Amino acid sequence: GAVVSQHPSRVICKSGTSVKIECRSLDFQATTMFWYRQFPKQSLMLMATSNEGSKATYEQGVEKDKFLINHASLTLSTLTVTSAHPEDSSFYICSARPGRNTGELFFGEGSRLTVL
Amino acid sequence: QKEVEQNSGPLSVPEGAIASLNCTYSDRGSQSFFWYRQYSGKSPELIMFIYSNGDKEDGRFTAQLNKASQYVSLLIRDSQPSDSATYLCAVRTGANNLFFGTGTRLTVIP
Repeated sequence: GAVVSQHPSRVICKSGTSVKIECRSLDFQATTMFWYRQFPKQSLMLMATSNEGSKATYEQGVEKDKFLINHASLTLSTLTVTSAHPEDSSFYICSARPGRNTGELFFGEGSRLTVL
Repeated sequence: QKEVEQNSGPLSVPEGAIASLNCTYSDRGSQSFFWYRQYSGKSPELIMFIYSNGDKEDGRFTAQLNKASQYVSLLIRDSQPSDSATYLCAVRTGANNLFFGTGTRLTVIP
């Protein structure tokens, strides 16, 4: 299957700092990537849809000024958690699919953020 | 009402048995259905997808879809301890909207 790579896999930061997470599609071009968040023992919740060359589409309740998404190329999307707080500690997962409106979604390895 | 509902489990089966995982969804317009496996601390990996009513088999895995009943299931034959994980049902209702259930935790007992 298609490969999606995410970096870093783990990050620990102090409260108030910003953290950037990268998501790359390694063997296909992705005009659209998706960012999910998963709290312990909960399901994946879609945060935003990242569109190459345009603004991201955020789900209700997700602060766009706090979670900055940049999709600068067809193979790279970044999520920046700005002014992180302990309640932002979570497992952040990106995903992408090779096809347009059909086809399976492939996930990155996930990034576990811990804010002290 | 949640978009996608799963029994959280845990579901325990002995090694070699058939594990049956169930999922219901609320949107009748849903088009695509996926089963993902997620090990603790890892991201989900796709096991199977199904678009049409009926059964779809891939190795030890069989996905079953019944759109009239808004029900999709995953059967795992000859369950192995390595199958122990959380299984997520996901349903696509539009071009981009993929809704996940909360997952069913499966434990295969050696």
